[in-house]
Amino acid sequence: ILNVEQSPQSLHVQEGDSTNFTCSFPSSNFYALHWYRWETAKSPEALFVMTLNGDEKKKGRISATLNTKEGYSYLYIKGSQPEDSATYLCAFTTGNQFYFGTGTSLTVIP
Amino acid sequence: KAGVTQTPRYLIKTRGQQVTLSCSPISGHRSVSWYQQTPGQGLQFLFEYFSETQRNKGNFPGRFSGRQFSNSRSEMNVSTLELGDSALYLCASSWGQGNEQFFGPGTRLTVL
Repeated sequence: ILNVEQSPQSLHVQEGDSTNFTCSFPSSNFYALHWYRWETAKSPEALFVMTLNGDEKKKGRISATLNTKEGYSYLYIKGSQPEDSATYLCAFTTGNQFYFGTGTSLTVIP
Repeated sequence: KAGVTQTPRYLIKTRGQQVTLSCSPISGHRSVSWYQQTPGQGLQFLFEYFSETQRNKGNFPGRFSGRQFSNSRSEMNVSTLELGDSALYLCASSWGQGNEQFFGPGTRLTVL
């Protein structure tokens, strides 16, 4: 069983603050690293699919980086807004199946 | 384009019963994966089907089984239900292995 760890487990920030979370994964047999955003009462929604070491992806105020050699990815949110409140999941895949972390629960306080 | 649909959305069963959950993937997607989420746990992989064949299986007992039909719709069956099977069951579809997964809304199963 491959271990994917996310930290912190939960985070409370003020509106306008910038924040970041970490996803650690095995550095061997890497195929891709996915980030998902999961709002309460909704389905997980894909944010980024990252495949190459050094990848940086951006979508609006959210960005992510990838280091496959050391086995970590960072997700950054700039100027957090209340609508960013959600659980952010990362998933490591060898190409065969996905291994999910337990997520970082973000609450943005207005 | 219609998203992934799952039925039923909520289900209450008693110990010892069996249950069947259904998942309809996005049109054109041939891969369907099933996950279990319990409080404090990440999404735990159950199995993946592609073109009616089970390609991968997670670390779950044989009471958990599934199948996929020729139209890519998939069903998951849990027999002899236990209290610990109470969970949110999500299915996800994709074009193929390792590709972006699109999740359904989940089925909330409660075992009494």
